[in-house]
Amino acid sequence: GEDVEQSLFLSVREGDSSVINCTYTDSSSTYLYWYKQEPGAGLQLLTYIFSNMDMKQDQRLTVLLNKKDKHLSLRIADTQTGDSAIYFCAETFDRGSTLGRLYFGRGTQLTVWP
Amino acid sequence: GAVVSQHPSRVICKSGTSVKIECRSLDFQATTMFWYRQFPKQSLMLMATSNEGSKATYEQGVEKDKFLINHASLTLSTLTVTSAHPEDSSFYICSATSHQDRNTEAFFGQGTRLTVV
Repeated sequence: GEDVEQSLFLSVREGDSSVINCTYTDSSSTYLYWYKQEPGAGLQLLTYIFSNMDMKQDQRLTVLLNKKDKHLSLRIADTQTGDSAIYFCAETFDRGSTLGRLYFGRGTQLTVWP
Repeated sequence: GAVVSQHPSRVICKSGTSVKIECRSLDFQATTMFWYRQFPKQSLMLMATSNEGSKATYEQGVEKDKFLINHASLTLSTLTVTSAHPEDSSFYICSATSHQDRNTEAFFGQGTRLTVV
């Protein structure tokens, strides 16, 4: 199956780093994504990593992928109150017609305290 | 990135009526569109996959006669919730991909909050 697990809540102080973790079960995943959802809004793609990469950095965001442990993390440096949102980990598989279909975790509610 | 527009963003309807939600790809041709449903504090659950010009493929447990999906053009897919009931109240999100770009991303609409009273 394609089970994606995330912790549900994370609270950090403004200026600190946040680390959101995700585990998945299917090692044949092709791309792994991090999406951000603000209240009442759709999903905003933050970053993604191809499964043959270990790390990807994009400004304040760092994604680490440990394929052996099937563990994905998103680190947000210098977390701001505007980063408060739900963060979804998702994976996809490059097989047949299901390309583009994403399997999501339940989301991690990040709360940033001033 | 590419833009997917979903409309309406919020709708309230009476029990027993039908509601249509539109999902448009504004600057690319979406060969495949996906419809997700999100319950409060839950993940997004795929309801169906639609390919332009063909019938949608529904996930197990999703009633195809209740959730009608039409993908008549490369830029528009619609989801119609027929004979809506309060338990259909949810957040519905579409996403679109193009087979011209197999690389990385499914583009999401803004979502539609449906409330059935």
